[in-house]
Amino acid sequence: AQTVTQSQPEMSVQEAETVTLSCTYDTSESDYYLFWYKQPPSRQMILVIRQEAYKQQNATENRFSVNFQKAAKSFSLKISDSQLGDAAMYFCAYRSADSGAGSYQLTFGKGTKLSVIP
Amino acid sequence: DGGITQSPKYLFRKEGQNVTLSCEQNLNHDAMYWYRQDPGQGLRLIYYSQIVNDFQKGDIAEGYSVSREKKESFPLTVTSAQKNPTAFYLCASSMGSYNEQFFGPGTRLTVL
Repeated sequence: AQTVTQSQPEMSVQEAETVTLSCTYDTSESDYYLFWYKQPPSRQMILVIRQEAYKQQNATENRFSVNFQKAAKSFSLKISDSQLGDAAMYFCAYRSADSGAGSYQLTFGKGTKLSVIP
Repeated sequence: DGGITQSPKYLFRKEGQNVTLSCEQNLNHDAMYWYRQDPGQGLRLIYYSQIVNDFQKGDIAEGYSVSREKKESFPLTVTSAQKNPTAFYLCASSMGSYNEQFFGPGTRLTVL
């Protein structure tokens, strides 16, 4: 079974600065997808960024980028120019690319609570 | 405006009562999911359905039941057999070929 570990329960960043959230995962599969979701105080889960394991290039979405290290099974999220609206819980998630049963399932880490200091 | 709706936002029930949480989507997605979230925990999968009239157990299905009679709807029943039902419940859906799961706003269930 796959596991996802987020080792930082809480982090803080000054507004306009850069912060990196860590995520590691354990899998025996070679093809899979990785995601970062944001959960603001409203508790609605919002997809921030996704990465396909077969792609070597790191995904980027505006101020959000990832550092995907497949051999190390590491998938960190970098937030640049942090804004007050970035304050939220951030969850790392894994999904198999196997087309068999259970391939739709997302496995989540326990989350990192990010605070943004004005 | 496409999306996922969950109702109600807050739900209170007495211990021993069954309760059904609603989830509706108008995204024309094939797959739907139910997750449970507890404080300090990530989301854990309860049930998922890839097509109408078919569903599979997730990691924590005991004490829950679902149905998928229509593509748009995937209600979750929390039965009296669920030992600790107080939690935040999130419904999600996805188009099977795309991978991204879209989430509803959630239902906070409190069992008194």
